[in-house]
Amino acid sequence: RKEVEQDPGPFNVPEGATVAFNCTYSNSASQSFFWYRQDCRKEPKLLMSVYSSGNEDGRFTAQLNRASQYISLLIRDSKLSDSATYLCVVNTRFTGGGNKLTFGTGTQLKVEL
Amino acid sequence: DTEVTQTPKHLVMGMTNKKSLKCEQHMGHRAMYWYKQKAKKPPELMFVYSYEKLSINESVPSRFSPECPNSSLLYLHLHALQPEDSALYLCASSQVSSGVGEKLFFGSGTQLSVL
Repeated sequence: RKEVEQDPGPFNVPEGATVAFNCTYSNSASQSFFWYRQDCRKEPKLLMSVYSSGNEDGRFTAQLNRASQYISLLIRDSKLSDSATYLCVVNTRFTGGGNKLTFGTGTQLKVEL
Repeated sequence: DTEVTQTPKHLVMGMTNKKSLKCEQHMGHRAMYWYKQKAKKPPELMFVYSYEKLSINESVPSRFSPECPNSSLLYLHLHALQPEDSALYLCASSQVSSGVGEKLFFGSGTQLSVL
C-alpha cells in the first residue's frame, strides 16, 4: 500500500463548479498535512496546511480525519486558473529535526469554460 | 517568485560526466532537501540535511552525492549517471522546530537529461 494515496484524475469540471479531492495515508504517526499545487513543469507550491478542526482559505476548504487517516480538499467556484495538479502531502518528523514529507501521486484538475 | 534558488535550470550530461547542482536559500532555514521528480509522478525524497548534517538518505545510489557546506547552500554532485536518472531535481528548505512540521519551500528545479 502506498504511503499517501490519491485519485490521479483528471477531474474535468466547468468553471464555477465545486470539486472535492480525497487523500488517504497509511502512517498513523504522521504529524502534519498539507495540500500543494503544482503547475506543469513548475515546482510544487504550498496551497494550505490541513488542521484537525478543518480550515478554510477563500474558496478552498481542507479537512483532516485522523481516525480514518483521510484528508480532503474542497474547491468552490472553480476558476480556469485552478487547473493544476493537487498534491496531498503528509509530514513525519524524525529524530534530529527536519521533516520527511511524502507526496501523494497528485490529482489533476482541469477547469473548462 | 521562489526564495530558493537552483542552478542550472537545465542540464544535459553524458554518462561519463561529472556535474553538480546548486541550491541556495537565505531565509535562515536549517533543513534542506533534495527531491527527484519524474514526469507525471510525485516528488520523491532523496536526502535531508538538518543543521548541515545528513539526516536522511533514502537509499539513493552512490552516483548521487549531496553536500551541505553551510546552512544556506546545498549541492548534489552527479557522476556516472544513467539515462533513467533524467528527471526534475528539486531543492527545498524549511525551518527546523520542535513543533508541528514546517512548510517546505521549493526551488524551481533543475531539469536533468542524461544521454
